[in-house]
Amino acid sequence: KQEVTQIPAALSVPEGENLVLNCSFTDSAIYNLQWFRQDPGKGLTSLLLIQSSQREQTSGRLNASLDKSSGRSTLYIAASQPGDSATYLCAVQGNNDMRFGAGTRLTVKP
Amino acid sequence: GAVVSQHPSWVICKSGTSVKIECRSLDFQATTMFWYRQFPKQSLMLMATSNEGSKATYEQGVEKDKFLINHASLTLSTLTVTSAHPEDSSFYICSATTDGYGYTFGSGTRLTVV
Repeated sequence: KQEVTQIPAALSVPEGENLVLNCSFTDSAIYNLQWFRQDPGKGLTSLLLIQSSQREQTSGRLNASLDKSSGRSTLYIAASQPGDSATYLCAVQGNNDMRFGAGTRLTVKP
Repeated sequence: GAVVSQHPSWVICKSGTSVKIECRSLDFQATTMFWYRQFPKQSLMLMATSNEGSKATYEQGVEKDKFLINHASLTLSTLTVTSAHPEDSSFYICSATTDGYGYTFGSGTRLTVV
């Protein structure tokens, strides 16, 4: 059974800092890995989707990497802003299911 | 920890029939549940948000008469795909929260309509 772990569970940084969120998974036989953002009381917003054959994806200030063989992914956020404050979730998709990490709750202080 | 059970994990049905997917919070009361859909090689998309005892709020472009959501208790929400067609074949996943901050996800349902 796939297990997804996210570190750290919570992170508080001052505005402008670059930061890295980590995700690890136990079974490297995956179809894709996704990073999501979730604001309180809201549904998920997809940030980046990395297919199993890819190594990274970029969107604006976000960059996600995937090392399938080692079971790791990182989400890099450059020049963080208070509006980036949210919970960030990593999800790994296998053949018939999707497993989520518990998330990293990010707070960016003005 | 919080657990959400989603059933079935996969289902194949004939075109024109209806399929029900269940999402249960096993050890907590889920005041709000979310339903998502994912087409192959695309990201997860929110379909609707349901609060216990009230009507679900559907995202734009999601047909409420086709995707019936019932959240009659604090531990159970169901999604019924009515008169399913092949284009409804997708991966459906639910999530639940009790406080609006911590979310737990089901493991998803792969629906194939033939």
